[in-house]
Amino acid sequence: AQSVTQPDIHITVSEGASLELRCNYSYGATPYLFWYVQSPGQGLQLLLKYFSGDTLVQGIKGFEAEFKRSQSSFNLRKPSVHWSDAAEYFCAVGARGGGADGLTFGKGTHLIIQP
Amino acid sequence: DVKVTQSSRYLVKRTGEKVFLECVQDMDHENMFWYRQDPGLGLRLIYFSYDVKMKEKGDIPEGYSVSREKKERFSLILESASTNQTSMYLCASSLPLMNTEAFFGQGTRLTVV
Repeated sequence: AQSVTQPDIHITVSEGASLELRCNYSYGATPYLFWYVQSPGQGLQLLLKYFSGDTLVQGIKGFEAEFKRSQSSFNLRKPSVHWSDAAEYFCAVGARGGGADGLTFGKGTHLIIQP
Repeated sequence: DVKVTQSSRYLVKRTGEKVFLECVQDMDHENMFWYRQDPGLGLRLIYFSYDVKMKEKGDIPEGYSVSREKKERFSLILESASTNQTSMYLCASSLPLMNTEAFFGQGTRLTVV
């Protein structure tokens, strides 16, 4: 069965500092990987996705993520965070079985931005 | 832009009531999903549907049922609401492909008292 682990429940970063959110996955085949962001009281918005090809993927809002097969990781990074980045971040792996029957999510990382 | 609309942002229901959560998408997606979100547990899949009148159980289907009579609409039903079903419910839709993302609605925060 596929699974996703986000080791950090909370992360606090100063505004302007760099950010890395960790994600490890377990999946039997080539994974389809996603990062979503959820602002307070809102639904989930896709930040970026990895299906194949270049292991460094660029997303919206200045985020990027790197797929490392040897480490089963897909960490999210941003060189300089803004106060508006404060939110919940979810890593997800796609497709159980033979079709797009839902994403498996990690438990999320809550990002706090200090002024 | 894909739009997934959930009919209510906030609901308060009494224990034992039958509750309907409605979701509509406007991008002709075949797949639709209902997730439940709880602090510290992330998102958990309740049910999904890959076609009209078709449904599949997810990870936590107990106490829930679903209905999909039209392609654009997917309803989550709590037959007899209980306090442990107090949660945020998120609807999503996607194309029937492995390499595609899901698009989410704004969520419905349900409180059962």
